[in-house]
Amino acid sequence: GAVVSQHPSWVICKSGTSVKIECRSLDFQATTMFWYRQFPKQSLMLMATSNEGSKATYEQGVEKDKFLINHASLTLSTLTVTSAHPEDSSFYICSAREAGGPINEQFFGPGTRLTVL
Amino acid sequence: AQSVTQLDSQVPVFEEAPVELRCNYSSSVSVYLFWYVQYPNQGLQLLLKYLSGSTLVKGINGFEAEFNKSQTSFHLRKPSVHISDTAEYFCAVTWGNEKLTFGTGTRLTIIP
Repeated sequence: GAVVSQHPSWVICKSGTSVKIECRSLDFQATTMFWYRQFPKQSLMLMATSNEGSKATYEQGVEKDKFLINHASLTLSTLTVTSAHPEDSSFYICSAREAGGPINEQFFGPGTRLTVL
Repeated sequence: AQSVTQLDSQVPVFEEAPVELRCNYSSSVSVYLFWYVQYPNQGLQLLLKYLSGSTLVKGINGFEAEFNKSQTSFHLRKPSVHISDTAEYFCAVTWGNEKLTFGTGTRLTIIP
């Protein structure tokens, strides 16, 4: 149980285009989902927290107009990188917290590697 | 600001030898502690967690960790490592809320 998937697993795009990454909780309902980014050989940095049906809360320094997050249902959150540039190339990982589950327990997706040319 | 420190960025260990990966954090107030493992190009897998109760926590794959409140540490140990344990290990902490703060990670390399 508690499986989180991400799609796509990797994506290559041209500079200036937008890319959408999906995060799905497959066997549970997730009231809260988190988006992280991880640069090569570095740790995970929280970008934003999204709650189903409400606006995402972004961490300091993360551009909300560039990284659009939508959490329209209890099983799906999307991250759209708008007008992507090479510096946005990174490994993006989502996690989900189960509705009614322990506040400190997050289940992680397998990650999406974004390469912007 | 609250922080998580993993002093060892890389740890090479011979196969079947014991290993300890160190993790320290800034405050023990309302702290919950986690260790995650990340294999190349994959997401994170939970190894173990401390929420309350016994300070010695046992996890998957033969790993264990001990919560030491006075030393603000949560070191990860395994008595005998295997080649398959080669991976990146992250210590993570929350302080009474749902946000996870990650350490910088320790790359464990097992030498045959």
